[in-house]
Amino acid sequence: EAGVTQFPSHSVIEKGQTVTLRCDPISGHDNLYWYRRVMGKEIKFLLHFVKESKQDESGMPNNRFLAERTGGTYSTLKVQPAELEDSGVYFCASSQEEGYGYTFGSGTRLTVV
Amino acid sequence: QKEVEQNSGPLSVPEGAIASLNCTYSDRGSQSFFWYRQYSGKSPELIMFIYSNGDKEDGRFTAQLNKASQYVSLLIRDSQPSDSATYLCAVTDSSYKLIFGSGTRLLVRP
Repeated sequence: EAGVTQFPSHSVIEKGQTVTLRCDPISGHDNLYWYRRVMGKEIKFLLHFVKESKQDESGMPNNRFLAERTGGTYSTLKVQPAELEDSGVYFCASSQEEGYGYTFGSGTRLTVV
Repeated sequence: QKEVEQNSGPLSVPEGAIASLNCTYSDRGSQSFFWYRQYSGKSPELIMFIYSNGDKEDGRFTAQLNKASQYVSLLIRDSQPSDSATYLCAVTDSSYKLIFGSGTRLLVRP
């Protein structure tokens, strides 16, 4: 079974630019999560999709972040405009059921300069 | 107070020894507890989960949970250099999202 796929693996953009991260979950996994780790901090929850619906977006830092999940399959996370403090590693994860361990993707390392 | 606390380490043990990793959490309502291993530059990999008080063993790994003390631990027996990584403790909150600790770096010396 293919794992959770994320791309790009790395992105370096200038402050003020827009970046879109993509996540392809494991096929059949209704639950899709976005997490973020900024330098020296814990991995923090951003949001949770169940199929195409946003179940919980309480972790989204502000309205510069927009997440979508088209048709309940892949998901995108757009940051517009990017700020320096958005730098970090963005992880996507998926699971069949809530409350069980997720499978994480390899992450996208975002650097805003 | 952080929701999930771990000693950042590094915890250094010789090859073949038992490595003991500890984690405390603040939310008494937490139901599920996970240990992830993360190699540098890689994604977190689930290695153990535990839901009930007591011990759960899987190969060289044992997870221990004490809900009264709000404490969860991971024991790695016969530690190998390949076990050197950061170990992340995570608990679910009432909405099932994971709350992570900052991780403990384990170094197994050959």
